[in-house]
Amino acid sequence: DQQVKQNSPSLSVQEGRISILNCDYTNSMFDYFLWYKKYPAEGPTFLISISSIKDKNEDGRFTVFLNKSAKHLSLHIVPSQPGDSAVYFCAASANSGGSNYKLTFGKGTLLTVNP
Amino acid sequence: GAGVSQSPSNKVTEKGKDVELRCDPISGHTALYWYRQSLGQGLEFLIYFQGNSAPDKSGLPSDRFSAERTGGSVSTLTIQRTQQEDSAVYLCASSLFTGGKGLAKNIQYFGAGTRLSVL
Repeated sequence: DQQVKQNSPSLSVQEGRISILNCDYTNSMFDYFLWYKKYPAEGPTFLISISSIKDKNEDGRFTVFLNKSAKHLSLHIVPSQPGDSAVYFCAASANSGGSNYKLTFGKGTLLTVNP
Repeated sequence: GAGVSQSPSNKVTEKGKDVELRCDPISGHTALYWYRQSLGQGLEFLIYFQGNSAPDKSGLPSDRFSAERTGGSVSTLTIQRTQQEDSAVYLCASSLFTGGKGLAKNIQYFGAGTRLSVL
């Protein structure tokens, strides 16, 4: 049973516009969330994270929003650039529950930013 | 280099053979993790090391899979009697995480992975 779901396998956006990637989770013990970006033939690289005590975290063009009641988070990229084209993975961990070493990943969303 | 290093980058083997995958973590990182990504799937947790000990091996799919870490550094993942369903990308990650509970950030840094193909 998938505990972290990324329901959109792919997303295509025009350069300069906003990209919104969504992620849902089912495990109420999850309290720390991360986004990773992956280029082909490379390992995932950390992008941005948020803990459950916040509902928003911003880093440059990247903002993550967390809605705990809906068990939903989203990653906003503004403005989108062609170099942002990659697979984006949502991941979660249950820090307070003692499983803070283990990340549970979604299947990823392939973002394509068209020039 | 300063990142997580994995070798080989690609491995093709015949069904029934044993394979060893190697991970060299970032220097100073006490925590090391192995994940597996099968085609069209997300990353699946396999095992977590803290130093040379493995407090959680719960993700290892079967007793054909084993891993060890020596000197608090390099780790090897061994798959015995490989099967076709073992074909996947095997990813290693490391972090500064030292254990314990609480909202401690645990940002894991990944290597490029080993793509294993079992024919």
